[in-house]
Amino acid sequence: QQQVKQSPQSLIVQKGGISIINCAYENTAFDYFPWYQQFPGKGPALLIAIRPDVSEKKEGRFTISFNKSAKQFSLHIMDSQPGDSATYFCAARVIGGSRLTFGEGTQLTVNP
Amino acid sequence: DGGITQSPKYLFRKEGQNVTLSCEQNLNHDAMYWYRQDPGQGLRLIYYSQIVNDFQKGDIAEGYSVSREKKESFPLTVTSAQKNPTAFYLCASRGQGENTEAFFGQGTRLTVV
Repeated sequence: QQQVKQSPQSLIVQKGGISIINCAYENTAFDYFPWYQQFPGKGPALLIAIRPDVSEKKEGRFTISFNKSAKQFSLHIMDSQPGDSATYFCAARVIGGSRLTFGEGTQLTVNP
Repeated sequence: DGGITQSPKYLFRKEGQNVTLSCEQNLNHDAMYWYRQDPGQGLRLIYYSQIVNDFQKGDIAEGYSVSREKKESFPLTVTSAQKNPTAFYLCASRGQGENTEAFFGQGTRLTVV
């Protein structure tokens, strides 16, 4: 079964700190790795995504680091803010495929 | 405005009843998806459809049914065969191409009473 493992399940960070969420996958056919952000009672929204031909992608305070050999990727949130408090999901999609496989989610709390 | 609309936002069902969740999109997307979200389990795929009049089972299709008679609509029926239907249900759609993202609706919270 195609799986994506996400950790930690929950994370508490002080305002201004760095939040780090990790994901690992098994299927080497995965070629698209998005991160979604979800606020309570809302649907997830795409935050940032990466393909395996690059090792890092940065958009503002959000950075994805990708390690193809280790089959791992991570989300770093720099200068974390209380407004970043949400649930974050990593996901992966197979080459030419239609469906996304999601990690279990990380509930991030940023304390003021 | 383009987007995905799920209705209703909250739904209550008695045990033994079937219930249908609505999902409509005006993004002209070919692919549509239904996910179930439970605490600590992420998003699990129920059914998906890549084209009108065609759909495939996801990882947890038992107790659910779908139809795709129109490109913009992908309703999900939770049948009485679904033993634990209380959950948050999310619909998503995606356009053609490798670099396209999936857009999600705001979800329907179903509670069995």
